[in-house]
This record gives sequence, structure tokens and C-alpha cells, in this order.
Amino acid sequence: KAGVTQTPRYLIKTRGQQVTLSCSPISGHRSVSWYQQTPGQGLQFLFEYFSETQRNKGNFPGRFSGRQFSNSRSEMNVSTLELGDSALYLCASSLEPGTVYEQYFGPGTRLTVT
Amino acid sequence: LAKTTQPISMDSYEGQEVNITCSHNNIATNDYITWYQQFPSQGPRFIIQGYKTKVTNEVASLFIPADRKSSTLSLPRVSLSDTAVYYCLVGDTGRRALTFGSGTRLQVQP
Repeated sequence: KAGVTQTPRYLIKTRGQQVTLSCSPISGHRSVSWYQQTPGQGLQFLFEYFSETQRNKGNFPGRFSGRQFSNSRSEMNVSTLELGDSALYLCASSLEPGTVYEQYFGPGTRLTVT
Repeated sequence: LAKTTQPISMDSYEGQEVNITCSHNNIATNDYITWYQQFPSQGPRFIIQGYKTKVTNEVASLFIPADRKSSTLSLPRVSLSDTAVYYCLVGDTGRRALTFGSGTRLQVQP
């Protein structure tokens, strides 16, 4: 079974631009979560989607948004990029939402904002 | 959601047993305890999950005392490839943990 895939793997953007990251979950998984990882803040939860609906949201500004499609694929968008948005963005999928369900992580998208 | 506290780092040698303890004083009745492992430049990988007492799988054991305010991940006979960051998460079926916390950086030496 194929794992979680994320595209692109690397991205360089300029302050003020916007970016869209894509995540394809493991086949059969209906829940997709997004995390931001930085050396200073560690691994922080952004949001979780299930059945095309956002179920949980972390403490991030409204510039961070996401969506999920009917095939469970998910995208996240960051508008008006700031230098502090430089991070590894990880997507994880699970059968169902909630911590009790094992999450499978993708390799991440490394975003650099200059 | 329950906040977790773990040691920042630990050192060990190959072949030794390593025990990493996580404190979660505010754990709720419906919360499960989950541990993940992360290597550099990779996403975290699920290790083990439990609710109470002891859980064992092919890679680790998880010990949870009766009050569930802490948990201990036990890695038997570690090898160099176990060098990684280990995260403890606490959460229930309804809500995803908001943060993985800072984790414990385990360094295994020959």
C-alpha cells in the first residue's frame, strides 16, 4: 500500500506570496491532519479534516487554511507569507479522526520564505 | 487537552534498555497515550499506544500506572538506529493532540 505523499517536497517563496501544498493520504484513510515543524516551536498541529470538513484547528492565524476533497486528498494554503512561515509542513493520514487512531506521516514539504 | 512533559534528551549505549518517562498530570478519562518516533528530515512514526497498565508490541513496551498521570516508553536493547526524537501525545477519540511537545532526543552510542 502506498504511503502518504506530499507535493512539492521543496519550495522557495518570497514574503507576501501565497503557497498551496498538497497531500494524498493512504488509500482508505479518511482523516488528514497538517502540522508545522520548526526548530524553535517543534511540531505543531495546524488542522484536521474528515469527510471534507475541518474537525479541529490549532492556534494559527487565518492566513493558514486548508480543505479536503471528496477523495480525501487535502491541500493547505498559506497566504501573505512571512519569514516565520519557513518550516517543514507535514501531512498525516489516519482511518478516522482523533488521537486514538494511528497517524501515518508523509515526508513533508520544506518551505523556505525569503 | 493534557499537557505533556518529557526529558529533553537522553543518552544510552547499544544493547541497553532505555526508559523514557512522560508526565501528563491533567490526563482526562477518555485520553489515550501515544508515542511517536521521528528521524531527521522525516515525519514521525507511530510506535505504541495504550490506555492503562501495560502494552507491548514488537518494538517497545508502554507502562502506565493506575493513576495514569505518567507513562514510560521502554525500548529493549537499543541500537544506533534508535537514535531519534521520541514524542509522547495524550488525546481522546474526538480531538487531535494540538502539539507533539518538544519530545525527547535519544542518542545511542556504540
